[in-house]
Amino acid sequence: DVKVTQSSRYLVKRTGEKVFLECVQDMDHENMFWYRQDPGLGLRLIYFSYDVKMKEKGDIPEGYSVSREKKERFSLILESASTNQTSMYLCASRTGLRSGEQYFGPGTRLTVT
Amino acid sequence: AQKITQTQPGMFVQEKEAVTLDCTYDTSDPSYGLFWYKQPSSGEMIFLIYQGSYDQQNATEGRYSLNFQKARKSANLVISASQLGDSAMYFCAMREVYNQGGKLIFGQGTELSVKP
Repeated sequence: DVKVTQSSRYLVKRTGEKVFLECVQDMDHENMFWYRQDPGLGLRLIYFSYDVKMKEKGDIPEGYSVSREKKERFSLILESASTNQTSMYLCASRTGLRSGEQYFGPGTRLTVT
Repeated sequence: AQKITQTQPGMFVQEKEAVTLDCTYDTSDPSYGLFWYKQPSSGEMIFLIYQGSYDQQNATEGRYSLNFQKARKSANLVISASQLGDSAMYFCAMREVYNQGGKLIFGQGTELSVKP
């Protein structure tokens, strides 16, 4: 069965802290994605990766960075957390084939105080 | 630029009735895919149905069907015989086939409430 896991369901951090959100998939997928979800805005793409060590900026990359050292793991890093980064963060992966849906993790609800 | 629009922030439907959730899209790419996802209150995103831009028939998956009108650039989700468990957020999304990585563009979502 397809599985995408995220390191935490809920996280509370202080302003200025460095925050790591981890995502692991067990489907040998080439492509992985990080989205943030805010009410009324849907899901917005932060970064994606189409191969190990390869990354591309999405629509809202400011304040974030990513790391993909292994195929199964894609990390989102908030270098210095700010209150406007309080949000739900969703990780997804998909195969490199033309068709195929994205499989999502359960999400991490991050609160920055 | 790609865009997905869902104009219904919230919808109510009586149990066992059918409901249509609207989605319009904008793209200049002739090859694209359209997706619907369901997000219950627990937060996980569940894939429901897919329609390719060259598919001749409307996609169906059990109680879900996609009313694809290419000329009007609409991809409405139809849920037949609504159940209480259908109460959730529903997102329409699009992927241009040749964009690298297959990233999705999402609409704002529609919150569906099913009344007993």
